[in-house]
Amino acid sequence: QSVLTQPPSVSAAPGQKVTISCSGSNSNIGNNYVSWYQQLPGTAPKLLIYDNNQRPSGIPDRFSGSKSGTSATLGITGLQTGDEADYYCGVWDTSRSTGLFGGGTKLTVL
Amino acid sequence: QVRLQESGPGLVKPSETLSLTCTVSGGSISTNYWSWIRQPPGKGLEWIGYIYYSGSTNYNRSLKSRVTISLDTSKNQFSLKLSSVTAADTAVYYCARGGFWSGLHTRGYFDYWGQGTLVTVSS
Repeated sequence: QSVLTQPPSVSAAPGQKVTISCSGSNSNIGNNYVSWYQQLPGTAPKLLIYDNNQRPSGIPDRFSGSKSGTSATLGITGLQTGDEADYYCGVWDTSRSTGLFGGGTKLTVL
Repeated sequence: QVRLQESGPGLVKPSETLSLTCTVSGGSISTNYWSWIRQPPGKGLEWIGYIYYSGSTNYNRSLKSRVTISLDTSKNQFSLKLSSVTAADTAVYYCARGGFWSGLHTRGYFDYWGQGTLVTVSS
């Protein structure tokens, strides 16, 4: 059972928009910065979003991040079949003095 | 372009020490934070710990008693040692650039990753 809660799976059609939530507490998301990662099948994770809503160079603006209170959200617009992957949120937990990842969400583009 | 490559034994016996090395190319290890992260087969990611270029470390509290991360700036490498391993330590181990840095609000992310190496704990 992860401290950060993500839906196990989400799905949407090509071209549509999807959001993936990451729910935590004041000791993690509520007071620290969230990052998001995409893991394509059989590959290493890739940084998509850092500092809640910042995109690294080379990440298309179809990907966005937001945070409100103790929850964070990854948004993906204009879905492509190549977006099918597992997505993870990450954050520091002050009470546990450790870095955490969410349990991951599998995105299916129907 | 920064590149990271993990190396080390793919099979470790129970109760022994897992040892992995990450070689960094395309950039100096004498800046930034450097981390180890693992992923058991079919499961999610777990942060193991990081080392700062100054040599300071921070480990996952659940693994702290068994983990050591060290730096070799002359070889542009950093290493992981995990002692007293069990089958539960079987995972793909990733090295990554990044960590967590404290402020009023702690920031943290991992922007470059190695391809990962599977380590199986079995007799």
